[in-house]
Amino acid sequence: QQQVKQSPQSLIVQKGGISIINCAYENTAFDYFPWYQQFPGKGPALLIAIRPDVSEKKEGRFTISFNKSAKQFSLHIMDSQPGDSATYFCAASTLGYQLIWGAGTKLIIKP
Amino acid sequence: NAGVTQTPKFQVLKTGQSMTLQCAQDMNHEYMSWYRQDPGMGLRLIHYSVGAGITDQGEVPNGYNVSRSTTEDFPLRLLSAAPSQTSVYFCASSYGTGSSYEQYFGPGTRLTVT
Repeated sequence: QQQVKQSPQSLIVQKGGISIINCAYENTAFDYFPWYQQFPGKGPALLIAIRPDVSEKKEGRFTISFNKSAKQFSLHIMDSQPGDSATYFCAASTLGYQLIWGAGTKLIIKP
Repeated sequence: NAGVTQTPKFQVLKTGQSMTLQCAQDMNHEYMSWYRQDPGMGLRLIHYSVGAGITDQGEVPNGYNVSRSTTEDFPLRLLSAAPSQTSVYFCASSYGTGSSYEQYFGPGTRLTVT
């Protein structure tokens, strides 16, 4: 079954806190796991991505943690800011072409 | 570079009408795709193309047609609009080879079918 399950659907975090969004997958052939960020009225844009040969990737305040044995990966946003308020999508693919998308998480950072 | 452009931004159709959503990219990307985005359902792939003259179906192709006569353009045609096709439609493109799989999205077309 080619599914990517994302949770939670929505998340409210205080400014300065840590936002955590989780995704789980079933297909062990997936070899590319990106996170996309979407602001209202805009198309999604790539935020950060990881391949299964590493367990963690960090870019600024954004970190992907990857657990191959559990078939889970998560996005951590450190020191969350109001400008991080957006919808976040996880995704996975085998060929790099056809991404399988999670349902999205609407993140609200309260000032 | 304009990136990925989509027209129109908004459209209202009556049931049974047909229309074409336009998508163009100026990055010389081989891979282009069309998605629809519905609340709580993420992005669902409608059709995709790996190069000029080559198209294939995605997860939800029924009611839609595509063609790819040039590298730059990838129009999506709604044959006979239905209320179930009310959605936001995104076109995306990416390099077809190499290590970069980033997809670049257009700004979207919000379609309402009454």
